Amino acid sequence: NAGVTQTPKFQVLKTGQSMTLQCAQDMNHNSMYWYRQDPGMGLRLIYYSASEGTTDKGEVPNGYNVSRLNKREFSLRLESAAPSQTSVYFCASSWSGGGWGQPQHFGDGTRLSIL
Amino acid sequence: KQEVTQIPAALSVPEGENLVLNCSFTDSAIYNLQWFRQDPGKGLTSLLLIQSSQREQTSGRLNASLDKSSGRSTLYIAASQPGDSATYLCAVGGDYGQNFVFGPGTRLSVLP
Repeated sequence: NAGVTQTPKFQVLKTGQSMTLQCAQDMNHNSMYWYRQDPGMGLRLIYYSASEGTTDKGEVPNGYNVSRLNKREFSLRLESAAPSQTSVYFCASSWSGGGWGQPQHFGDGTRLSIL
Repeated sequence: KQEVTQIPAALSVPEGENLVLNCSFTDSAIYNLQWFRQDPGKGLTSLLLIQSSQREQTSGRLNASLDKSSGRSTLYIAASQPGDSATYLCAVGGDYGQNFVFGPGTRLSVLP
């Protein structure tokens, strides 16, 4: 089982460049999430999508855009990369419904460096 | 704003010991709480999820408890093994479990 797949695994950008981080899940989950993980800051939620066609801001959305392309795919875009966006980015998914939260499943992360 | 803390930040124990990791949160109006394990350079693996109406969950050598009123959760690991060495994170879910706030983690080393 592939679970949650993130691409690319590593990326180096120059300040001002743009790029899109890709995430796909094969577990038929309806909810998907993007986090960033920084030393001393823990994981912080950037955006989430409760279901196909909806997206909501998390704690740190500035400088990012997201697209829920279909039920499987949720992409994160940096329009003009800044050094402060150097981080490890994680995508996660879960099934949400029936009034109960379900465990989140994570990808292996994208390590992004902005020079 | 929900804030989550974890104590201790790091812990080193000899193999075979039972140990407790602590998680505290400031807003007791939570939907659920989840414990994760993260190995170096890897993503997070869900260990246990406790719904707000539950008091504890168990999986193998792991037991997690939840006391909403005091804003605390503990993860108990029995008979620790070197393979348990990792960072353990707790995450508190609000907004019907959609909006998770993570703690900074406890880095555990189990020595052979």
